[in-house]
Amino acid sequence: GEDVEQSLFLSVREGDSSVINCTYTDSSSTYLYWYKQEPGAGLQLLTYIFSNMDMKQDQRLTVLLNKKDKHLSLRIADTQTGDSAIYFCAESRWGDDKIIFGKGTRLHILP
Amino acid sequence: NAGVMQNPRHLVRRRGQEARLRCSPMKGHSHVYWYRQLPEEGLKFMVYLQKENIIDESGMPKERFSAEFPKEGPSILRIQQVVRGDSAAYFCASSRQGEAFFGQGTRLTVV
Repeated sequence: GEDVEQSLFLSVREGDSSVINCTYTDSSSTYLYWYKQEPGAGLQLLTYIFSNMDMKQDQRLTVLLNKKDKHLSLRIADTQTGDSAIYFCAESRWGDDKIIFGKGTRLHILP
Repeated sequence: NAGVMQNPRHLVRRRGQEARLRCSPMKGHSHVYWYRQLPEEGLKFMVYLQKENIIDESGMPKERFSAEFPKEGPSILRIQQVVRGDSAAYFCASSRQGEAFFGQGTRLTVV
């Protein structure tokens, strides 16, 4: 079946690294995504990774994929107040294209 | 290249009225998805359309909800005889080759 699980809340001090975790159940997932949603706004695609990759880095963002454990993580280095948002993990399969989302992790930045 | 455009941004309807939500995909994108986000919830897939075809409507309620994506013009999500439980944010996304981009959403309030 299709299921994407995330913890609902994460609190991090400004300047520290944030690590948001996600697990998925569909072993045929092809694309794994991280989206950011700020209050009252739509979803912004942050980054995505193909299932044949282990890691992808883009400036302050690092995505790690453990395909064996079906575990995806998003690391945000030097977390800033502007990073405060809900982060959604999502997956899709080639040929299906329907994107399945987790419930989102609300990242709270402590001063 | 404008992003995915949704209108209206906010829509208020009385119980029993019809709600029509519009979505114009990004230029060159021929796939449109509709998602519903309830307060404090993740995104739930509703329907996936290509031009003039419904590909997957497994997430659509069986009654009162319909969607279309005509050859010309935007995709329309129509909700007939709205009830309070239909109050939510409705997001549209368009994609090409696995990368999906979201609109800002339409926030429907049923009073």
